[in-house]
Amino acid sequence: EVVMTQSPATLSMSPGERATLSCRASQSVKSNLAWYQQKRGQAPSLVIYAASTRATGIPARFSGSGSGTEFTLTISSLQSEDFGVYFCQQYNNWPLTFGGGTKVEIK
Amino acid sequence: EVQLLQSGGGLVQPGGSLRLSCAASGFTFGSYYLSWVRQAPGKGLEWVSAISGNGDTTYYADSVKGRFTISRDNSKNTLYLQMNSLRAEDTATYYCAKRLYGEGGPFEYWGQGTPVTVSS
Repeated sequence: EVVMTQSPATLSMSPGERATLSCRASQSVKSNLAWYQQKRGQAPSLVIYAASTRATGIPARFSGSGSGTEFTLTISSLQSEDFGVYFCQQYNNWPLTFGGGTKVEIK
Repeated sequence: EVQLLQSGGGLVQPGGSLRLSCAASGFTFGSYYLSWVRQAPGKGLEWVSAISGNGDTTYYADSVKGRFTISRDNSKNTLYLQMNSLRAEDTATYYCAKRLYGEGGPFEYWGQGTPVTVSS
């Protein structure tokens, strides 16, 4: 099983700041990596897939990078609607696995 | 518009059974792998099971193998999860999810989630 490790667990940021979230895979997942945002009480929603492709409707302030085992999600200028929990997920191997999440909270 | 409408959750005693349903619309149902993903209260996401478009291929997380069965009825555009021998650690919100591509890719669409509580 591919273990996905996210850091940090919590990111306390102010609106307008740049946020950088990390995700590490225990073995190469190539570029088969997605990022999801989840707000309280809601289902997750897709933000980035194929490590760097924005999902439909996702603004350009979101960007993803990396391949193999190291990945990064960057939010260039945090907006109020961006706060929530972000999960990375690999879809290169069965079982599909998620990271433990990074909570982006208002400082 | 893609919609995944879930039903069937609730409270069940340890050792009991429950069946979840996920009614889909807005896409060619039989062309896509579908999955169940769960989230224990206050915890992260855990993939549970997946099924191919024609239902011939299934995958399970080790934590549910032998107790849960995924199935689909392509004539009704509906996905199911039969959960038997339920344990307290199965308590979670369960989501059905559709992948971006027919046989792979990330989860593009999610159901609204249905809570399952296993408790005496």
